[in-house]
Amino acid sequence: NAGVTQTPKFQVLKTGQSMTLQCAQDMNHEYMSWYRQDPGMGLRLIHYSVGAGITDQGEVPNGYNVSRSTTEDFPLRLLSAAPSQTSVYFCASSYSLQRNYGYTFGSGTRLTVV
Amino acid sequence: EDQVTQSPEALRLQEGESSSLNCSYTVSGLRGLFWYRQDPGKGPEFLFTLYSAGEEKEKERLKATLTKKESFLHITAPKPEDSATYLCAVHTQGAQKLVFGQGTRLTINP
Repeated sequence: NAGVTQTPKFQVLKTGQSMTLQCAQDMNHEYMSWYRQDPGMGLRLIHYSVGAGITDQGEVPNGYNVSRSTTEDFPLRLLSAAPSQTSVYFCASSYSLQRNYGYTFGSGTRLTVV
Repeated sequence: EDQVTQSPEALRLQEGESSSLNCSYTVSGLRGLFWYRQDPGKGPEFLFTLYSAGEEKEKERLKATLTKKESFLHITAPKPEDSATYLCAVHTQGAQKLVFGQGTRLTINP
C-alpha cells in the first residue's frame, strides 16, 4: 500500500548511543519532514526537505541530522541520545507544500532514552 | 512568530450531542489551514485544507469553516468512532513548514 513507512516502531536507547530512524515514501513526494510529538507541546518540526539533496532545519534541530539522497528516503539520525529526546517521532510527506497538499504521516516511532 | 491555539484542550460529549472545536491563529500571511485527526498510537490523518475566509468544507459529520482569525471544526450528531484528537495547522507565506496547534482531545460517550 502506498504511504509513509517508518521503522522501527519502538526503540529504547541508552544515553549517548546513536541511531537512525528510517522513513520511506512511495508516492513520489518532493516534500518530507520530521516532527516530534510530546505531551502538551504538540507537533514540532525537526528538519525538512523540499527535494533530493536539499534539507533545512525546523524549530528543534539540535541533536539531530538528516540527509536526502533519494526522493523516497529521509532518515533522521540521533547523534548522541539524551533523555530529552524521548518522544514520538513522525515522518510526513507531501507532493508540494506550496500547493497546500495535505501531509501524509507515517505511523510513528516511539523512542525512549534511558 | 506564527502561533496556533486550539480550544478546548479536551471535550467530552454524549453521542448525538453536536459541538465545535476552535483553532485560532496569529500568522503573518495565511496560505492554508489544515485539520487532521489523530487516533491513539497512530499518525495524524488529513481531513481538510481551507484557503480563504468564508470557505467551508464537509466530510460526513464534520464541517470546517474559516475566518480571518480562526477556524471551527463543527461536529454534528457525533458517534463514538469520532473520538480522537483533532489537530489544526497553518501554512504561512514564505514558510516551508506547517505550524501545529496542541490539539483537542474529543471523547464521544455512547
